[in-house]
Amino acid sequence: KQEVTQIPAALSVPEGENLVLNCSFTDSAIYNLQWFRQDPGKGLTSLLLIQSSQREQTSGRLNASLDKSSGRSTLYIAASQPGDSATYLCAVDNAGNMLTFGGGTRLMVKP
Amino acid sequence: NAGVTQTPKFRILKIGQSMTLQCTQDMNHNYMYWYRQDPGMGLKLIYYSVGAGITDKGEVPNGYNVSRSTTEDFPLRLELAAPSQTSVYFCASRTDYSNQPQHFGDGTRLSIL
Repeated sequence: KQEVTQIPAALSVPEGENLVLNCSFTDSAIYNLQWFRQDPGKGLTSLLLIQSSQREQTSGRLNASLDKSSGRSTLYIAASQPGDSATYLCAVDNAGNMLTFGGGTRLMVKP
Repeated sequence: NAGVTQTPKFRILKIGQSMTLQCTQDMNHNYMYWYRQDPGMGLKLIYYSVGAGITDKGEVPNGYNVSRSTTEDFPLRLELAAPSQTSVYFCASRTDYSNQPQHFGDGTRLSIL
């Protein structure tokens, strides 16, 4: 059974810092890995999706990497802003139609 | 551009009552999902559907039922509500292509008292 772990559970940084969120998974036979953002009281918004054959994906100030062999992914946020404050969730797709989620990292960026 | 719409947004039920959580999407997606999210936790899959008339169990299906009579709608039924079903419920959909992300609704916050 796939298990997904996110560390740290919470993170507080001053505005302007570069930061890294971590995600680890136990079963490397994945279709893809996805990073989502969740704002309080809202649903999830997809940030980046990395296919199993890819090593990284970039969107603006966000860069996600994938190392299947070690069961790890990182989400790098450059020049953090208060608007980046949210919970970030990592999810792994093993079967092509089901996601297993980590518990999330709650990020606060202080002005 | 509605996307995935869930109703109601909030609901309080008494133990033993039943209710249906509604989910509809206007993107013509075949794949639809129901998740629950407990406080401070990630999402767990309850049921999913790969097209009208086809449903399957996820990780935590006990106490729930689903149906999929149309492409647009995927209602989730709670029978005999229990306090353990207090949670936030999210519906999601995606295209047939597994390299595309799921699109989520804003959730239904359900309390069982």
